Amino acid sequence: AQSVAQPEDQVNVAEGNPLTVKCTYSVSGNPYLFWYVQYPNRGLQFLLKYITGDNLVKGSYGFEAEFNKSQTSFHLKKPSALVSDSALYFCAVSPGRWPGNTGKLIFGQGTTLQVKP
Amino acid sequence: GAVVSQHPSRVICKSGTSVKIECRSLDFQATTMFWYRQFPKQSLMLMATSNEGSKATYEQGVEKDKFLINHASLTLSTLTVTSAHPEDSSFYICSAPWTVRRNEQFFGPGTRLTVL
Repeated sequence: AQSVAQPEDQVNVAEGNPLTVKCTYSVSGNPYLFWYVQYPNRGLQFLLKYITGDNLVKGSYGFEAEFNKSQTSFHLKKPSALVSDSALYFCAVSPGRWPGNTGKLIFGQGTTLQVKP
Repeated sequence: GAVVSQHPSRVICKSGTSVKIECRSLDFQATTMFWYRQFPKQSLMLMATSNEGSKATYEQGVEKDKFLINHASLTLSTLTVTSAHPEDSSFYICSAPWTVRRNEQFFGPGTRLTVL
């Protein structure tokens, strides 16, 4: 079965410190990988994606993610966390290539990032 | 970038009534839209795929007669929660793949449904 796992319900970091939010996936073929952020009572905002090419992907707001095919992981990282980064983060995978994959997204459980001053 | 809107953003209704939620792609056409449901502090669960001009495709376990989906135009999909009950209270989010870069989806801001 295709799935995405975010093993941590919550990640706590101090402002200015680096942060990592973990994501692993189990999908057949070559998936497309995404990170989204959600603020309270809001929809999802796109952060970054991996389709092909360099394993290190840079996205919005200083975030980046590293695709590791052997470990089937796509961890989200930021060198220096801000209090305003505090939100709910979702990893998602779209199996296969459009249009064959129909565009469906499989989401992880979500990880709450708490950045303290 | 592409924008997807939802209306209403928040709705409170009595048990037994029906509620319609609209999802619009504002600056692009969307032949496909997706409807998700999100419970508090939980992930998004795909409910159905809305297809313009044809029937929606529902995920396993989602009641078709309960959650009616209509995709009447290239920019509008509607989700109607029929005979709503308190257990239908949730955050409903729609999304649409962007036709320019189809591997990117844009999400609406969500609709908070509370059934009393």
